[in-house]
Amino acid sequence: GENVEQHPSTLSVQEGDSAVIKCTYSDSASNYFPWYKQELGKRPQLIIDIRSNVGEKKDQRIAVTLNKTAKHFSLHITETQPEDSAVYFCAASPPGTYKYIFGTGTRLKVLA
Amino acid sequence: NAGVTQTPKFRVLKTGQSMTLLCAQDMNHEYMYWYRQDPGMGLRLIHYSVGEGTTAKGEVPDGYNVSRLKKQNFLLGLESAAPSQTSVYFCASSYQGTQYFGPGTRLLVL
Repeated sequence: GENVEQHPSTLSVQEGDSAVIKCTYSDSASNYFPWYKQELGKRPQLIIDIRSNVGEKKDQRIAVTLNKTAKHFSLHITETQPEDSAVYFCAASPPGTYKYIFGTGTRLKVLA
Repeated sequence: NAGVTQTPKFRVLKTGQSMTLLCAQDMNHEYMYWYRQDPGMGLRLIHYSVGEGTTAKGEVPDGYNVSRLKKQNFLLGLESAAPSQTSVYFCASSYQGTQYFGPGTRLLVL
């Protein structure tokens, strides 16, 4: 079945540095790739997404890149701040399935 | 506009007991989902619905049943709870690909 692998499982960076989280998906037909941020005890919230007809998307300090040939996509956070500390989940959605397959999450710690 | 709400927030069950988790959304979304979240395993899809009166199985449907009698509500039932069903349960609805999650229900099965 469909599978999404996410790495690393934990990531510690110094405040102001960049953080990169990578995901690989198995279903080449997947065409929608959202990223969610989940703070401790809270619900996941969408922070950025990308569709398969686009290679990169940016929103202020956050960017997502997609490599369809290699079937992987990455989240880039620049100038990290302590409030970026959270668990980040990637997901992939094959067309016509209405389903989202989630990665296992990355716990990001931004050290002040 | 409350978005997606879940009832209850927290529940303790004994093995073999039954319960129903309620998810409600006021955004008129067609698609609704139930996930469970366990440490180190991300969000796993239990069941989902693409419209009123329809339901479908996700990755981990065993031990759960669902119903979508009204568009705004999606119910998750546990007929005979087991300790393996201890988890945090999230409901979500979606529109044009974007999922909106509820606040979660923490369930402990003893």
